[in-house]
Amino acid sequence: AQKITQTQPGMFVQEKEAVTLDCTYDTSDQSYGLFWYKQPSSGEMIFLIYQGSYDEQNATEGRYSLNFQKARKSANLVISASQLGDSAMYFCAMRDGRDDKIIFGKGTRLHILP
Amino acid sequence: EPEVTQTPSHQVTQMGQEVILRCVPISNHLYFYWYRQILGQKVEFLVSFYNNEISEKSEIFDDQFSVERPDGSNFTLKIRSTKLEDSAMYFCASSELGLAGGDNEQFFGPGTRLTVL
Repeated sequence: AQKITQTQPGMFVQEKEAVTLDCTYDTSDQSYGLFWYKQPSSGEMIFLIYQGSYDEQNATEGRYSLNFQKARKSANLVISASQLGDSAMYFCAMRDGRDDKIIFGKGTRLHILP
Repeated sequence: EPEVTQTPSHQVTQMGQEVILRCVPISNHLYFYWYRQILGQKVEFLVSFYNNEISEKSEIFDDQFSVERPDGSNFTLKIRSTKLEDSAMYFCASSELGLAGGDNEQFFGPGTRLTVL
């Protein structure tokens, strides 16, 4: 069965520092996709970044990068130069090759300190 | 930039009442989804919909739930007889491509907060 694990329920980081949010996953499929979503206090889900299982390079989108380590089944999100507006809940998610649904981890609440 | 919209943003209802949550997916998208998030918990998949039929549903999506695409633009989730435990944020999502597509990014709407009293 597919599973997403986020072991950090909450994190506090000083503004302008880089932060790594951990995510490990479990699937028996060879083809899958990994996502990170941001959920601010207003509640909406904002897509941040995607990594395909066959992508050889780590995905990057602006200040976001995904540290994909396939053998370890980890897909950590790295936010460089954190900003106060980065304070939010962050969800790691996965879609496997068999269906379209996305399964989510429990999330990490990130607090950026001024 | 095109976006998924949902109405209402907040719905309050009495237990046992029927509710219909509405979504307008992005216009050229073909795959539609409903997810829910109970307060403080993770987002859970409810149902996916393609070509006017359900393609997959979770065990949460029991007989009390139904989905419909009544016209070319709306996608609705109906809860027939609401229970207290149905209180949650309900997210609609849509994607252009399904399994055949590359990253199959699912665009989420802003959510409808359902409160069952």
